[in-house]
Amino acid sequence: KNQVEQSPQSLIILEGKNCTLQCNYTVSPFSNLRWYKQDTGRGPVSLTIMTFSENTKSNGRYTATLDADTKQSSLHITASQLSDSASYICVVSPRGGGSYIPTFGRGTSLIVHP
Amino acid sequence: NAGVTQTPKFQVLKTGQSMTLQCAQDMNHEYMSWYRQDPGMGLRLIHYSVGAGITDQGEVPNGYNVSRSTTEDFPLRLLSAAPSQTSVYFCASSYRTTGPSSYNEQFFGPGTRLTVL
Repeated sequence: KNQVEQSPQSLIILEGKNCTLQCNYTVSPFSNLRWYKQDTGRGPVSLTIMTFSENTKSNGRYTATLDADTKQSSLHITASQLSDSASYICVVSPRGGGSYIPTFGRGTSLIVHP
Repeated sequence: NAGVTQTPKFQVLKTGQSMTLQCAQDMNHEYMSWYRQDPGMGLRLIHYSVGAGITDQGEVPNGYNVSRSTTEDFPLRLLSAAPSQTSVYFCASSYRTTGPSSYNEQFFGPGTRLTVL
């Protein structure tokens, strides 16, 4: 069964600090991996997407990395801001076989304190 | 553009009642999907559509019906609501990018919080 595991489950950091969130997956064959940010009470918003040929992608202070061999991804947030407080969700989509069903991780809840 | 809109934002039903969650998009996207989000779980795909007149089941389709008569609208119907359907429902629309490593660029609506008593 395809699975996406995220760690840590929750994280509290001080404003201005950096942090790294982890995502491990078993989805195979692999098509792409996305990171979403979900603010409380809102729908997820895409931060980055990486296909199997990419190993890093940046979006402002967010940098995602992908190791397709070990099936691991990380999301690094630099110089955190209060507005970074949200849930960060890793999503992996399969390739081929007519399957369109992505597998979502449970998310990492990040709280940034002033 | 309004993007993806969902109505209502909140709804309380009694067990056995039926209702339709509305979803509309004004971006002319081919693909539309319905997800549910439960505490402690990742989003799960209920149904999806790859174009007007075409729908397919996702991971958790039981108890839900969909139809796609137009590109813009993708309503989700609960035929006989059950407490297990208490959840937050998200609609999403997406388009397929071009190139050798194409993928679906997806946009989510704001969600509908449904409680079934």
